[in-house]
Amino acid sequence: SQQGEEDPQALSIQEGENATMNCSYKTSINNLQWYRQNSGRGLVHLILIRSNEREKHSGRLRVTLDTSKKSSSLLITASRAADTASYFCATRLIQGAQKLVFGQGTRLTINP
Amino acid sequence: GAGVSQSPSNKVTEKGKDVELRCDPISGHTALYWYRQSLGQGLEFLIYFQGNSAPDKSGLPSDRFSAERTGGSVSTLTIQRTQQEDSAVYLCASSLSGGSETQYFGPGTRLLVL
Repeated sequence: SQQGEEDPQALSIQEGENATMNCSYKTSINNLQWYRQNSGRGLVHLILIRSNEREKHSGRLRVTLDTSKKSSSLLITASRAADTASYFCATRLIQGAQKLVFGQGTRLTINP
Repeated sequence: GAGVSQSPSNKVTEKGKDVELRCDPISGHTALYWYRQSLGQGLEFLIYFQGNSAPDKSGLPSDRFSAERTGGSVSTLTIQRTQQEDSAVYLCASSLSGGSETQYFGPGTRLLVL
C-alpha cells in the first residue's frame, strides 16, 4: 500500500482563500516533499522539509511536519486560479532506496 | 537548460504487443527514476538507476517490464506482451545524484493498451 495518504482527496475553494492539504505516512522518513501536477502530466517540486524540521516557508506555501503524528500539511495562502492542480506528498524513507513514495494526491480547484 | 524529456507523448497499442518508452534525463544528472501513475492515483515507483551501480528494480510489477540505461544517460523502459492493466502514464525523473533530494520530472508518456 502507499506510504502516504492525503486528505482531502479533492478540495474546491474560492480564489483568495487559503487551501490546506494534509498528508499522513506510516514509517520513519528522512524527508517529506510536496509536488504539484497539472493535467496529469509531469510533476513540479514545490518544497522539501527534513525530518528534523517542523515548519518551512516558500512564497505563499507553508509546510509543517509532525514526526510524532507522522503527518504533514501544505498551506497555500491567497490562492489563485493558477494554483488549480493535483498536489502530492512524497516521502524519502530512512531505510531503503533513493526512491520517493508518493501519496494519492489532493485535487485542488480554485474557483475565480 | 533543457529539462527531462520523454517520448512518445502518447502511445496506443494492442494487447500483446511490446512497447518501448524513452527518457532523456537532464544533462549531468546521474540518477534516473521511472514511475507509473494509473488514472487518478499517486505515483508507483518502478526502477532506479544511479551511475554505474546495479539498478534498483524492486518496483517492477512483473518480468514483462524491463529497463536499461545506456551510457549513463538515456533510458528505455520496455513492456513486453502488454496487458490492459498496463495502461497508465509512465513518468521519468532525474536528479543530480542519488543522494539529491529533488527529482525533476518529465512530461510523461500516456500509454493506452486496447
